[in-house]
Amino acid sequence: AQKITQTQPGMFVQEKEAVTLDCTYDTSDPSYGLFWYKQPSSGEMIFLIYQGSYDQQNATEGRYSLNFQKARKSANLVISASQLGDSAMYFCAMREVPSGYSTLTFGKGTMLLVSP
Amino acid sequence: GAGVSQSPRYKVAKRGQDVALRCDPISGHVSLFWYQQALGQGPEFLTYFQNEAQLDKSGLPSDRFFAERPEGSVSTLKIQRTQQEDSAVYLCASSLAVSAGLRSGNTIYFGEGSWLTVV
Repeated sequence: AQKITQTQPGMFVQEKEAVTLDCTYDTSDPSYGLFWYKQPSSGEMIFLIYQGSYDQQNATEGRYSLNFQKARKSANLVISASQLGDSAMYFCAMREVPSGYSTLTFGKGTMLLVSP
Repeated sequence: GAGVSQSPRYKVAKRGQDVALRCDPISGHVSLFWYQQALGQGPEFLTYFQNEAQLDKSGLPSDRFFAERPEGSVSTLKIQRTQQEDSAVYLCASSLAVSAGLRSGNTIYFGEGSWLTVV
């Protein structure tokens, strides 16, 4: 079973509108972290936002916020006031604690296109 | 430098050729990771180093893949006798801490990747 599921291969949004990118995850560990990365065409994975499983509040970073619903095992990324420069691939990823040095497990990504 | 640096950025190799990809992590970062990203897919874990020790190489797809980090800083991923299915972006990443402590300070930072095309 996939640990990270991103069901939206592509999303379109108009400039200045908000958009939600979906992510569901699967883990039996009580401690884990959820990340969102942006990957523009240049290839670099740019860290956007992080949510810990024990965090009481949803994470926010500027125009990015994470809608964390623990019971549903979802961690959707909300981008407010979209900009043309937001066009890129977006990856949701999870890091589980018990492995100590555990790595990130990524979803397949969502391509976001922002139109003028 | 301030970020994770990878070289070469682009490499075209003939099938059967050996290639070496270099990663220079953020200074002081203990953990170093290599990922492989096929076209249209998310990154897949290859191997992990804690300082100079390779603690996990479970993601290496075959014995043609070899990675090292001899002095605990710069790392090299070597692919021997390249094949067409090796064509991918190879991403290097580093993080400050050893444990998977769930704090934002333990974020994993990625380089721009090395784009390998095997013809």
